Amino acid sequence: KQEVTQIPAALSVPEGENLVLNCSFTDSAIYNLQWFRQDPGKGLTSLLLIQSSQREQTSGRLNASLDKSSGRSTLYIAASQPGDSATYLCAVRGTGNQFYFGTGTSLTVIP
Amino acid sequence: GAVVSQHPSRVICKSGTSVKIECRSLDFQATTMFWYRQFPKKSLMLMATSNEGSKATYEQGVEKDKFLINHASLTLSTLTVTSAHPEDSSFYICSPRGGENTEAFFGQGTRLTVV
Repeated sequence: KQEVTQIPAALSVPEGENLVLNCSFTDSAIYNLQWFRQDPGKGLTSLLLIQSSQREQTSGRLNASLDKSSGRSTLYIAASQPGDSATYLCAVRGTGNQFYFGTGTSLTVIP
Repeated sequence: GAVVSQHPSRVICKSGTSVKIECRSLDFQATTMFWYRQFPKKSLMLMATSNEGSKATYEQGVEKDKFLINHASLTLSTLTVTSAHPEDSSFYICSPRGGENTEAFFGQGTRLTVV
């Protein structure tokens, strides 16, 4: 069964710093990988979707990379802002069409 | 992104009662619906998968008679928590899917509290 791990579990940085969130998965047979943001008590907001044939995707200050063979993805956030504070989840879509979610990284950006 | 409406966002019910949660895909046809459950400070756990017009497939450990899923149309699916107990208190999120390799979208979630 696919297992998805996110490191670190929590991260606190001062405003303006660049940061990297890590996601690893055990089964490289995936359709795609998606990064989400979740604010406390709220649903999920999709940030970036990377298809299995792609290496990276960019949206504004966010850049996500995918190395399928090694089972890794990173989410790079440039020039962090207090509004970026949230929990970030990565999820891989397996051959069974379902998503397997990581445990999340709780990010706090200090003004 | 796609518009997904999940209702209610928050519900408090008495132990023993049933609660229905609705999930609507407003601008696309959801051939598949995923229902997830999230415990505090934990990640999402898939409960069941349903295809429009078919019976839902439940993950191991999820009671199908307790969590009734109906996916009668391409734009609406419902999750009914029957005879709710305090241990059913959780955050429930739906995710309609239009097809393979498509982006996943999620409802806003429903916070269920059983007292």
